[in-house]
Amino acid sequence: AQRVTQPEKLLSVFKGAPVELKCNYSYSGSPELFWYVQYSRQRLQLLLRHISRESIKGFTADLNKGETSFHLKKPFAQEEDSAMYYCAHANYNQGGKLIFGQGTELSVKP
Amino acid sequence: GAVVSQHPSRVICKSGTSVKIECRSLDFQATTMFWYRQFPKQSLMLMATSNEGSKATYEQGVEKDKFLINHASLTLSTLTVTSAHPEDSSFYICSAHHGAGATVYFGPGTRLLVL
Repeated sequence: AQRVTQPEKLLSVFKGAPVELKCNYSYSGSPELFWYVQYSRQRLQLLLRHISRESIKGFTADLNKGETSFHLKKPFAQEEDSAMYYCAHANYNQGGKLIFGQGTELSVKP
Repeated sequence: GAVVSQHPSRVICKSGTSVKIECRSLDFQATTMFWYRQFPKQSLMLMATSNEGSKATYEQGVEKDKFLINHASLTLSTLTVTSAHPEDSSFYICSAHHGAGATVYFGPGTRLLVL
């Protein structure tokens, strides 16, 4: 069964510090992985997807098939990065449904 | 980006009543819509996958007679919580896309409080 795991419920860093939000997945096929972000009182929105290999708001994520990981990184955290971050896997054999990890709350302190 | 709306944004109802939540794709035709439930500071739990014109596919443990889903058009899906009880109080979120591999867009969510 596909599963997405985010081991950290809360990650607290100071402004300017590097950030790494961990995500591990279990899926037997080729994974389709995403990071979604939910700012306070806002809807969930796509941050980035692994196939695009782009950097959004300074965040990057690299798929490591050997470690079955898709960690989200940013070299210098900003206060406006404070939000809930969800790693998700899409199963295109089942209509493209997204299965989410437990979520990590990132708190960036001034 | 594309927009998905939900109505109502919040609803309070008495125990035993039924509540209908609408999910609309405003500027694209959604072949598939999804319904999630989210508890405070917790993840989104997928409830069901809704395809236009066919029966919804429910995730394990989700009562299909309790959570009725109708996807009658390419722009509208509804979730009806029947005979609601306080434990059904939650944040319900829908999402939609217009084809496998396409970006998934999320609605703003509906907060349900059952008294």
